[in-house]
Amino acid sequence: EVQLVESGGGLVQPGGSLRLSCAASGFSINNYAMAWVRQAPGKGLEWVSNISGSGSSSYYADSVKGRFTISRDTFENTVYLQMNSLRAEDTAVYYCARRYGSGSPHFDYWGQGTLVTVSS
Amino acid sequence: QSVLTQPPSVSGAPGQRVTISCTGSSSNIGAGFAVHWYQQLPGTAPKLLIYDNTNRPSGVPDRFSGSKSGTSASLAISGLQAEHEADYYCQSYDGSLSVYVFGTGTKVTVL
Repeated sequence: EVQLVESGGGLVQPGGSLRLSCAASGFSINNYAMAWVRQAPGKGLEWVSNISGSGSSSYYADSVKGRFTISRDTFENTVYLQMNSLRAEDTAVYYCARRYGSGSPHFDYWGQGTLVTVSS
Repeated sequence: QSVLTQPPSVSGAPGQRVTISCTGSSSNIGAGFAVHWYQQLPGTAPKLLIYDNTNRPSGVPDRFSGSKSGTSASLAISGLQAEHEADYYCQSYDGSLSVYVFGTGTKVTVL
């Protein structure tokens, strides 16, 4: 059974840092691209970042480029999102998702999400 | 800022059929990129409902159906039930922006 479990969210001050983790089970992240998608309170979904199945390529939304870094540990089968220089507008539930397909990929499995609150 | 536009809300009586539109542009849906749909029940994570315009993952009932034409796509729910009350999002890829894009979201209410 495919499962994604996020952790690492919490309250952080503006300008601070946080690292989110996404532990995958039921499949190997070596075989799939993985993504982070966030949802601000009462708002819609926003793609944040994804990393290729080989781990050699990563992509970011303009809103987080230069501040967030996606990485992975294939031994632990875990994906990370390092978030630096956090802003109030980064407050959201962050979901980890498995990306499936090529050309026009979709996200076939999602974690339960972890809440990040940026506030003083 | 979402580049795919959906109606904020749709409603229907139990048993009725409702449709949700998703309007994009020539750089995403109109460029041939597939449209996918997600259901988000209150307080839960999104769940894949339709992929590649018309396909249902295993376990999704055939009361849910998708279509695509030109720069738009639609999700139809037939035999509306109370359990279908949720937010629904479309998603595609934008070739000009090189990003995955989501719709603005539609809240479905069962009257």
